[in-house]
Amino acid sequence: IAGITQAPTSQILAAGRRMTLRCTQDMRHNAMYWYRQDLGLGLRLIHYSNTAGTTGKGEVPDGYSVSRANTDDFPLTLASAVPSQTSVYFCASSAAGGRQFFGPGTRLTVL
Amino acid sequence: RKEVEQDPGPFNVPEGATVAFNCTYSNSASQSFFWYRQDCRKEPKLLMSVYSSGNEDGRFTAQLNRASQYISLLIRDSKLSDSATYLCVVINQAGTALIFGKGTTLSVSS
Repeated sequence: IAGITQAPTSQILAAGRRMTLRCTQDMRHNAMYWYRQDLGLGLRLIHYSNTAGTTGKGEVPDGYSVSRANTDDFPLTLASAVPSQTSVYFCASSAAGGRQFFGPGTRLTVL
Repeated sequence: RKEVEQDPGPFNVPEGATVAFNCTYSNSASQSFFWYRQDCRKEPKLLMSVYSSGNEDGRFTAQLNRASQYISLLIRDSKLSDSATYLCVVINQAGTALIFGKGTTLSVSS
C-alpha cells in the first residue's frame, strides 16, 4: 500500500455496541489524526497523536478513545456507540507540522 | 468569532468564469495556511499551500493577508472538474493540529 488506509469502508452499528475504526499509514509520518465530518459542521478533530506512544484530545473527544502503539497504526474506538456518533470518520497523517494526507473515510451509522 | 470562517456558497458559475473564495481566521498567531479540495463523499486533498508572498499554481492563485487575517483562493478559467468543496485550513499556533473551515461549495456548469 502507499498512503493511508481505513477500515471498514462503512458500518451500520447498533447503539451500545463497541466499535473500532482502523487506520494504517505507510509513510512513516509521526503525526496522525482522527476527524469526524458532519453536514453543516465541517471537519472536527477528535483525537490526535504527535508520535507513537502519545495521544491528545481534539475538539470533540467525548465518547472516543485512541491508542498509538506504533508509528503506522492509529485505531479509534467507540466504547458504547450512540446515534449522535453517526458520521463520516477520516483518519489523517502528516510529517510534523506539514500537510495532512487523508484516508478514504469510514461511514458509520449508529441506530 | 469562529476560528476559521468561510462563505459556504454555493457558488454557481459557468465554465470559463473566474471565481474567488475568501476565508478569515481568528488566531493572529496561526502559522500555516492551506486550501484543500473535497469531492462529494471523498477525502479532502491538498490543493495548495498559501505563502505570505502569494503563490500561483496554474489556474489557481492563493493569497494571505496577515494584517486582516484572511486568505483567498482565485480560480481562473473554471472547468467542470473544478466543481467541489474548497476547505480553508489553518495550522494552530502550537503546530499540533489543522483547523478546517466548513468549506465553500463551487459548482461549474457548461
